Amino acid sequence: GQQVMQIPQYQHVQEGEDFTTYCNSSTTLSNIQWYKQRPGGHPVFLIQLVKSGEVKKQKRLTFQFGEAKKNSSLHITATQTTDVGTYFCVSSNFGNEKLTFGTGTRLTIIP
Amino acid sequence: DTGVSQNPRHKITKRGQNVTFRCDPISEHNRLYWYRQTLGQGPEFLTYFQNEAQLEKSRLLSDRFSAERPKGSFSTLEIQRTEQGDSAMYLCASSPRAGFTDTQYFGPGTRLTVL
Repeated sequence: GQQVMQIPQYQHVQEGEDFTTYCNSSTTLSNIQWYKQRPGGHPVFLIQLVKSGEVKKQKRLTFQFGEAKKNSSLHITATQTTDVGTYFCVSSNFGNEKLTFGTGTRLTIIP
Repeated sequence: DTGVSQNPRHKITKRGQNVTFRCDPISEHNRLYWYRQTLGQGPEFLTYFQNEAQLEKSRLLSDRFSAERPKGSFSTLEIQRTEQGDSAMYLCASSPRAGFTDTQYFGPGTRLTVL
């Protein structure tokens, strides 16, 4: 997969506030996946986006894939302490599916 | 147990020693991946298997590293003549299908510390 950059690297929010992380690639992506890794844990798959402009929701989480398929975002509404962790956007190539992880955004919640 | 398992969970070794890690994927998953993760970084791809065939190796995988999946089930990752720079979390993942982008399920990892 192509290298993807994420911003911000760190985010501290008060519990109940919203959170957004952005992912950018210099080249067109065939798909984008999002994984979450809790402190001391392993990456856990959240979602995969394939289509240009695609938007998917999972409860308080909203994932978007850009029209040009070069960027993506994850938005969390009304954060909770269970949202703590590092969120990675991940690119892969159809055919071998090896994952190329972005730089990650580490989210901490202030109770 | 229906998840990916890895053993050992922790390994401390002295520089120059050989170490071997084992990964047991989810049953009937035909793809198996190895990644390495250092502190504060995302996982980096090392190699992957489709059944028993090793299909791709990263440039990160020096000749001191070797991986096998002899019967298309469990896999081992061996590091010879370990160096301090090998200290990292080694993650294994599996996925159920070939030729189709699919969810990868990660194991808990083996944390290697080289003294």
